[in-house]
Amino acid sequence: QITLKESGPTLVKPTQTLTLTCTFSGFSLSTSGVGVGWIRQPPGKALEWLALIYWDDDKRYSPSLKSRLTITKDTSKNQVVLTLTNMDPVDTATYYCAHAHSKWLPPDYWGQGTLVTVSS
Amino acid sequence: QSVLTQPPSASGTPGQRVTISCSGSSSNIGSNYVYWYQQLPGTAPTLLIYNSNERPSGVPDRFSASKSGTSASLAISGLRSEDEADYYCATWDDILSGPVFGGGTKVTVL
Repeated sequence: QITLKESGPTLVKPTQTLTLTCTFSGFSLSTSGVGVGWIRQPPGKALEWLALIYWDDDKRYSPSLKSRLTITKDTSKNQVVLTLTNMDPVDTATYYCAHAHSKWLPPDYWGQGTLVTVSS
Repeated sequence: QSVLTQPPSASGTPGQRVTISCSGSSSNIGSNYVYWYQQLPGTAPTLLIYNSNERPSGVPDRFSASKSGTSASLAISGLRSEDEADYYCATWDDILSGPVFGGGTKVTVL
């Protein structure tokens, strides 16, 4: 059974860096093909892909946010970490991590999400 | 502005059939599998359809999907009150080198 759970701050100030951790179980990020990604959803708005990391350390970033994003993995801890620099109130959203079965496919299993509010 | 285009809303009475469209381009829907997600109020998206027309175990066969060219569609037959949710399409985009999503369609059961 694949499960993912996001953790991190619920409130950050403008210009700060957001660090989110995805802790997962039921699969390994050392298995060929597997990836873990981050997607966010501002309140009342659509889903937006942010970043993906695969078993072979291949990393993909949304072109519009690439300069602010970093994604890393710790295979031994079953964790993926996302950092987003220079936070702004428009970055207020629910942040989801999700499992991808293989490259070139959207995610299938999703975490419950964590709401991050950017406010001074 | 989402890469994939969906109608913002759809509705039907219980028992009716509702169809949701998803329009893209040759770099995304035209060359990759389409996924569909259901997002109930206040919850995370869950996978409804994968590989354009396949249902994960546990998803009722009232949900079906198809893809043709650069468009895809999701159909809900025998509409039920518990189908009230937001529905999103997604696929891989070869140019963006990542997954892209539709803007979501809110389904209302009248």
